[in-house]
Amino acid sequence: AQKVTQAQTEISVVEKEDVTLDCVYETRDTTYYLFWYKQPPSGELVFLIRRNSFDEQNEISGRYSWNFQKSTSSFNFTITASQVVDSAVYFCALSDSSGGSNYKLTFGKGTLLTVNP
Amino acid sequence: DAGITQSPRHKVTETGTPVTLRCHQTENHRYMYWYRQDPGHGLRLIHYSYGVKDTDKGEVSDGYSVSRSKTEDFLLTLESATSSQTSVYFCAISMTSGSYNEQFFGPGTRLTVL
Repeated sequence: AQKVTQAQTEISVVEKEDVTLDCVYETRDTTYYLFWYKQPPSGELVFLIRRNSFDEQNEISGRYSWNFQKSTSSFNFTITASQVVDSAVYFCALSDSSGGSNYKLTFGKGTLLTVNP
Repeated sequence: DAGITQSPRHKVTETGTPVTLRCHQTENHRYMYWYRQDPGHGLRLIHYSYGVKDTDKGEVSDGYSVSRSKTEDFLLTLESATSSQTSVYFCAISMTSGSYNEQFFGPGTRLTVL
């Protein structure tokens, strides 16, 4: 069975601080996919990134960066110079390689990030 | 924008009443999903579809049925709603475009069962 653990239930930072959201996963599959989603207070789910298990390159997109380490089964997400608009619940998710683009996601419970001015 | 809409967006119903939620997409995506979101649980997969009339169960399928009679619509039915089915329901699609493989979510339906 697949499992995603986001140990940090809530994080509170002051604007401009860097913050890292942790994600640890469990799977028996050798090919799998990892995702991060943002859920702002308005409630929609915003896709941030998808990563293949065979691509361990770290990725940076503006103030966002992701550190994928297969050796520790972790896929951590860092926001640099946080802003109030980053306040949201962030979900890490895992999908097996059922075939094609059939992503049946197993989600972590989410981390509520609050960025204070 | 993956062209996903959900209806209704909000619904209040009573225990024992049948309820159907609709997910509609406009871009002929093959894979569609229903998830529920509850505090302390994140999102959990209820059912998914891999084509017209092709569906399968997810992690929390008990008490739910689905149907997909045409590509664009994926219906989630609660045959007899219970208070434990009070939740926010999200529909999703998987999309492949060139090198991109992504899963996008609809806006959600907030269901309250009294």
